Amino acid sequence: KAGVTQTPRYLIKTRGQQVTLSCSPISGHRSVSWYQQTPGQGLQFLFEYFSETQRNKGNFPGRFSGRQFSNSRSEMNVSTLELGDSALYLCASSLVGLSSGANVLTFGAGSRLTVL
Amino acid sequence: GENVEQHPSTLSVQEGDSAVIKCTYSDSASNYFPWYKQELGKRPQLIIDIRSNVGEKKDQRIAVTLNKTAKHFSLHITETQPEDSAVYFCAASIRFDGGSQGNLIFGKGTKLSVKP
Repeated sequence: KAGVTQTPRYLIKTRGQQVTLSCSPISGHRSVSWYQQTPGQGLQFLFEYFSETQRNKGNFPGRFSGRQFSNSRSEMNVSTLELGDSALYLCASSLVGLSSGANVLTFGAGSRLTVL
Repeated sequence: GENVEQHPSTLSVQEGDSAVIKCTYSDSASNYFPWYKQELGKRPQLIIDIRSNVGEKKDQRIAVTLNKTAKHFSLHITETQPEDSAVYFCAASIRFDGGSQGNLIFGKGTKLSVKP
């Protein structure tokens, strides 16, 4: 069973540019969550998508957006990049439901973004 | 908003000693508490989790305890080994409107170093 796949793994952008990151969840998983990881700040929740709908959103500016496709693949976009956006962006998928297996997140390897 | 606090931020122990990491959460509706281990350069991996209807769970050398009244939960690692060196994150689930649990809010992590 393939794991969570994120592309690209590494990318370098300059301030003002925009970036799109992709995440393919584990087959059968319908929920995709995105997290930003920076040294000292841990994993900060960006947003979560389920059935092509954003269900919840963290405290990030509107420059951060995302979407989910009918096959559960998700993309996140950051516009007008700032130096502080340099981070590891992790996505995680889960099999969402009311069963005991709900909420278990499986992470991808992440996309490391460097903004110069 | 919902918050998870984790202590200590760094922990150094001798091989064979025990290590304890503590977390507190703010949302009384949280009902799922996982712990993730992230080795250097790798993705976070689930090592153990506990649900709110259980006070303690063990898996070989690791255990998690939960005090719902105090909103505390802790990770205990016994007989530590050098390969336990990593960053450990606790998390707590938060509830969407409609009652279903979904996303995880993470603590800022504990860097555990096990010295041979």
